[in-house]
Amino acid sequence: AQTVTQSQPEMSVQEAETVTLSCTYDTSESDYYLFWYKQPPSRQMILVIRQEAYKQQNATENRFSVNFQKAAKSFSLKISDSQLGDAAMYFCAIKAAGNKLTFGGGTRVLVKP
Amino acid sequence: GAVVSQHPSWVICKSGTSVKIECRSLDFQATTMFWYRQFPKQSLMLMATSNEGSKATYEQGVEKDKFLINHASLTLSTLTVTSAHPEDSSFYICSALHPGRVEKLFFGSGTQLSVL
Repeated sequence: AQTVTQSQPEMSVQEAETVTLSCTYDTSESDYYLFWYKQPPSRQMILVIRQEAYKQQNATENRFSVNFQKAAKSFSLKISDSQLGDAAMYFCAIKAAGNKLTFGGGTRVLVKP
Repeated sequence: GAVVSQHPSWVICKSGTSVKIECRSLDFQATTMFWYRQFPKQSLMLMATSNEGSKATYEQGVEKDKFLINHASLTLSTLTVTSAHPEDSSFYICSALHPGRVEKLFFGSGTQLSVL
């Protein structure tokens, strides 16, 4: 079984500044994927970024990047140059055997103009 | 990207009635789909794995007779909430596994169920 923990219920960031969301996970699998999803008020799940566990290089997608620390089972998300449209719930998730996604509890990101 | 359509987007029903929610993969065949439930301000909880042509696999604590899942074709999975009660009111989301892109799951837009 997999578990995902997001210790920050809410984070606030000034527009154009940077915010980092924390995520730790646990799994007994050696082959897995990690994801960050964004859920705006529409509640549509939007994939922000993904990381394959076997890759050492941290994934980046434009203003979004991760810090993947496999030994520590940590997978944080950094949002740079925050924009008003980044305001949403962010969920960290792991996909291992069986292709099931296990989600963390979520972090609400507030962006101040 | 791949598209997953979920209908209806919202439904209101009376207590004791049954409600069917559809999840369709529009431009790919999905042998596996997943159903999640999300309560307000909470995370997504996996309810069951829907496999085309076979019985669904339910997560622990999910009543299979309450939440009927049918995956009769490679592009359609349905979730029927039987004899719905107010405590079944929730946001239900499906996702589909793309066979050529197993690194990602594609989500439907969700269904808000309100049982009066």
